[in-house]
Amino acid sequence: DTGVSQNPRHKITKRGQNVTFRCDPISEHNRLYWYRQTLGQGPEFLTYFQNEAQLEKSRLLSDRFSAERPKGSFSTLEIQRTEQGDSAMYLCASRLWDSPTNEKLFFGSGTQLSVL
Amino acid sequence: DQQVKQNSPSLSVQEGRISILNCDYTNSMFDYFLWYKKYPAEGPTFLISISSIKDKNEDGRFTVFLNKSAKHLSLHIVPSQPGDSAVYFCAALNSGGYQKVTFGTGTKLQVIP
Repeated sequence: DTGVSQNPRHKITKRGQNVTFRCDPISEHNRLYWYRQTLGQGPEFLTYFQNEAQLEKSRLLSDRFSAERPKGSFSTLEIQRTEQGDSAMYLCASRLWDSPTNEKLFFGSGTQLSVL
Repeated sequence: DQQVKQNSPSLSVQEGRISILNCDYTNSMFDYFLWYKKYPAEGPTFLISISSIKDKNEDGRFTVFLNKSAKHLSLHIVPSQPGDSAVYFCAALNSGGYQKVTFGTGTKLQVIP
């Protein structure tokens, strides 16, 4: 079990550029979540997948954000035309959905995005 | 709209004493609650959880108490150790709904040796 892997760990970009992050969940986990965390705040839900289906998107996920999980394994989160307000830690988490009360999310170490 | 609130941004406790971290929630549909611990530059790690059908769950040094009528839960750490120094997040969800986990803003615990 290698845990949830996120790449890159850090990303510095200029405003207006596009960025893409990747998340590799724990292999047998069928649910994958994206969260965003800014300084002094808790993780804020962005979206989640059950296998390859995107089941819910937060209102925080503007049109500039898109997430995919094409084969139900890894996922990508793309931000187009980045803005300084997008600077945050982007966290990916996964879990095996086999019971409504098996709610333990396993988080990756996150991708820290800085938009200059 | 902060549905899960942790009103104490920080807490300092002497090693060996009890740490009590508090959390309040507003959404009455929440029926499952979790605590996560986070070290700098790492993702949150699961600590302990409790279902709304219980009022207490214990795991070693960690105990979570749930008061549904007050919409309040607390995490007790006894005895506190320096390695417990981290940010603790309370989280909640509606297990019958989309099961989106909603996090509080966190409490930074410092255990002083």
